[in-house]
Amino acid sequence: DAGVIQSPRHEVTEMGQEVTLRCKPISGHNSLFWYRQTMMRGLELLIYFNNNVPIDDSGMPEDRFSAKMPNASFSTLKIQPSEPRDSAVYFCASSPTGNEQYFGPGTRLTVT
Amino acid sequence: QQQVKQSPQSLIVQKGGISIINCAYENTAFDYFPWYQQFPGKGPALLIAIRPDVSEKKEGRFTISFNKSAKQFSLHIMDSQPGDSATYFCAASPMNTGFQKLVFGTGTRLLVSP
Repeated sequence: DAGVIQSPRHEVTEMGQEVTLRCKPISGHNSLFWYRQTMMRGLELLIYFNNNVPIDDSGMPEDRFSAKMPNASFSTLKIQPSEPRDSAVYFCASSPTGNEQYFGPGTRLTVT
Repeated sequence: QQQVKQSPQSLIVQKGGISIINCAYENTAFDYFPWYQQFPGKGPALLIAIRPDVSEKKEGRFTISFNKSAKQFSLHIMDSQPGDSATYFCAASPMNTGFQKLVFGTGTRLLVSP
């Protein structure tokens, strides 16, 4: 299995632009998580999907952030408009049970 | 109450030595305690996990020790190797969310010198 796939691996954009991060979970996993990692705040859970349905989005920082999971093999995290403080590494993780979480390689986002 | 406090922030160990990383928690509802290993440029990878019904779990050179009364758990890496150099995160999850909503520690950067 290829593991969790994320794209792009690196994204540099200007403040105010829309950013879309993509994730393909491991086949057969029914739980998907989006995390953000920064030096200041560490690893933070943004949103959790179970069977493609958003279950907990309490970690989404504000309305500029939105996430979708249109099917079991694809999810997006969108930031519109982006701000410099959104610069971070964004991870997608999937799990067959919600217990063991398998992380993707991450997307390093830089907003200038 | 949702925090997991991890120490030390960084650690240098000689090859062959024992690396010890500690974590403490407040929320008594936590019932799942995994450790993740992260190499630069990679995502965290599950290393080993424990539930509070046991006091110790060993997998190869990696051991979790768990003290329920003290609300502490630790990772021991025996015979540490340069390839173990990475950042290690402890985490904890409460039992009442229906899924493992992990709360992560702040991480420990381990360097194993040759």
